Amino acid sequence: ETGVTQTPRHLVMGMTNKKSLKCEQHLGHNAMYWYKQSAKKPLELMFVYSLEERVENNSVPSRFSPECPNSSHLFLHLHTLQPEDSALYLCASSQDRGPVYNSPLHFGNGTRLTVT
Amino acid sequence: QQPVQSPQAVILREGEDAVINCSSSKALYSVHWYRQKHGEAPVFLMILLKGGEQKGHEKISASFNEKKQQSSLYLTASQLSYSGTYFCGTEASYDKVIFGPGTSLSVIP
Repeated sequence: ETGVTQTPRHLVMGMTNKKSLKCEQHLGHNAMYWYKQSAKKPLELMFVYSLEERVENNSVPSRFSPECPNSSHLFLHLHTLQPEDSALYLCASSQDRGPVYNSPLHFGNGTRLTVT
Repeated sequence: QQPVQSPQAVILREGEDAVINCSSSKALYSVHWYRQKHGEAPVFLMILLKGGEQKGHEKISASFNEKKQQSSLYLTASQLSYSGTYFCGTEASYDKVIFGPGTSLSVIP
């Protein structure tokens, strides 16, 4: 098993659909993150969870709803998305959060989302 | 606030050196460097904490000038495997790593 696993790898959904992205980390890390990567744009931080508690919501529209049931799993629930939400959604984890812990981010391979 | 990276793109021949720069307008706790190959996840290269340290990993090293809020990534004697997009991530707020736009590096034979 790789360190951070994301499913599905590809997802096509209509604007009225509801779907969920799943992320699982096998590294024993305490913090998990969702990033969005659009074409020709930098990685955008969406959400941060530490020990299953959401500690950051980076002004993300409510049509994106995260869930972290335990420190190994992270979900991103999607509903009534717009075509501009099409992007690569990356999950990451780190041992701890904050600069004093010197914790690098370990990324999954991402879910390529297309909204039609 | 997003850090600034330069150059946007660079093409090297094998064996040549390159420098990628990253700067922020805010005081930083740390700077992260990652490399992403097409269709793959970003991969961690190194973290530099404030204190002006320099780190190295084989032929890739980096420095962090805390006073100027600038970091540079040095790639020496480049190899074909170095090709990819290099991102710096800056930590100005606790636990919030903001990434730059990336520098596309292509190494050709």
